[in-house]
Amino acid sequence: GDSVTQTEGPVTVSESESLIINCTYSATSIAYPNLFWYVRYPGEGLQLLLKVITAGQKGSSRGFEATYNKETTSFHLQKASVQESDSAVYYCALGDNNNAPRFGAGTKLSVKP
Amino acid sequence: AQTIHQWPVAEIKAVGSPLSLGCTIKGKSSPNLYWYWQATGGTLQQLFYSITVGQVESVVQLNLSASRPKDDQFILSTEKLLLSHSGFYLCAWSLRAGGAETLYFGSGTRLTVL
Repeated sequence: GDSVTQTEGPVTVSESESLIINCTYSATSIAYPNLFWYVRYPGEGLQLLLKVITAGQKGSSRGFEATYNKETTSFHLQKASVQESDSAVYYCALGDNNNAPRFGAGTKLSVKP
Repeated sequence: AQTIHQWPVAEIKAVGSPLSLGCTIKGKSSPNLYWYWQATGGTLQQLFYSITVGQVESVVQLNLSASRPKDDQFILSTEKLLLSHSGFYLCAWSLRAGGAETLYFGSGTRLTVL
């Protein structure tokens, strides 16, 4: 079946360091899945961070970037310099045109000041 | 602006007891509605979705049921809770059906079954 695997947390980095949270997907029944990163900040609901629906394209938001790589079936989330306010749980997800997104287990990120 | 309200925020219930979780969406007519569930350490799984009043589709069988009694309301329930029902429940809506759509989530309900 279709699934998403992402970096197992928790992940701890220091402020201003770079970050990468890995996400790989398996889309056996979907030729061209849509890929998402959602984020849940402490005390808030889950919200969309970025999405990319075309292979080879890059999405960006709040300094985060992710590139849809069909060859490696990956959608890694990267940021060059994290801030304490980036501390949150990050979820990678994939969806097709007929079904709502399927999510990974989430990666808890803690940024130390 | 659209708002989504989930209740309760948290519940502690005994095995075998009934459960009802609710979700209301304001500011958007005829939204597509979803229930998601995440067990501790598990993935976020879609349980149910509804594209219109009175119509609910089950995605994962967990001995739970869902209903959409009004356009803006989505209810998750069971008559007998199991230990395996513990976890975090999220309600969400989208403008249209389909996996390219952005989901807008409520704050969730933390359920502990003892």
